[in-house]
Amino acid sequence: DSGVTQTPKHLITATGQRVTLRCSPRSGDLSVYWYQQSLDQGLQFLIQYYNGEERAKGNILERFSAQQFPDLHSELNLSSLELGDSALYFCASSFSGSGDEQFFGPGTRLTVL
Amino acid sequence: AQRVTQPEKLLSVFKGAPVELKCNYSYSGSPELFWYVQYSRQRLQLLLRHISRESIKGFTADLNKGETSFHLKKPFAQEEDSAMYYCALSTASGSRLTFGEGTQLTVNP
Repeated sequence: DSGVTQTPKHLITATGQRVTLRCSPRSGDLSVYWYQQSLDQGLQFLIQYYNGEERAKGNILERFSAQQFPDLHSELNLSSLELGDSALYFCASSFSGSGDEQFFGPGTRLTVL
Repeated sequence: AQRVTQPEKLLSVFKGAPVELKCNYSYSGSPELFWYVQYSRQRLQLLLRHISRESIKGFTADLNKGETSFHLKKPFAQEEDSAMYYCALSTASGSRLTFGEGTQLTVNP
């Protein structure tokens, strides 16, 4: 599959824990975006990386952090998890990171109990 | 700050009927507008963007800067159009997408 991949598909954890979500962009894409989709807040932009560097930041909590590695895959780390962090987390990628089409992954569904 | 509003959470039409999904935005600069679609159990995918002025799967959308709208239209809905539709905006200075709340379209036989 040459599209955006995300692992794991589902994650169930307890409050206070820490998890890592992983995203591999499409082959050739340099930019990665993270979005959170929850029932009460809809689809919200969290953060963008381009070629390893942070490019833009949205409504990302301080308990959350992300990075993009030299092989261009990205990880989103969520710590001190709360019930309200339960959501679908999408990763998207694009080639230039400047207004070109974003291709979305299937998402990781996080459930915090 | 930019904002996108989709006033209808649910929209139901019969096959062959025209369909219009509404999208309004607020942004003081020149926006780029998009429609994304999410079919059941599939990932979000781009349907169309205003700068390309294309018609995809029979859908069109015109950017109306006076009314700050980007409504999605199709003259004859098909059952396979049933999906969740999201309107999204990005600004000239960046490419982050601001999404609307989404409209679930159901096309009945």
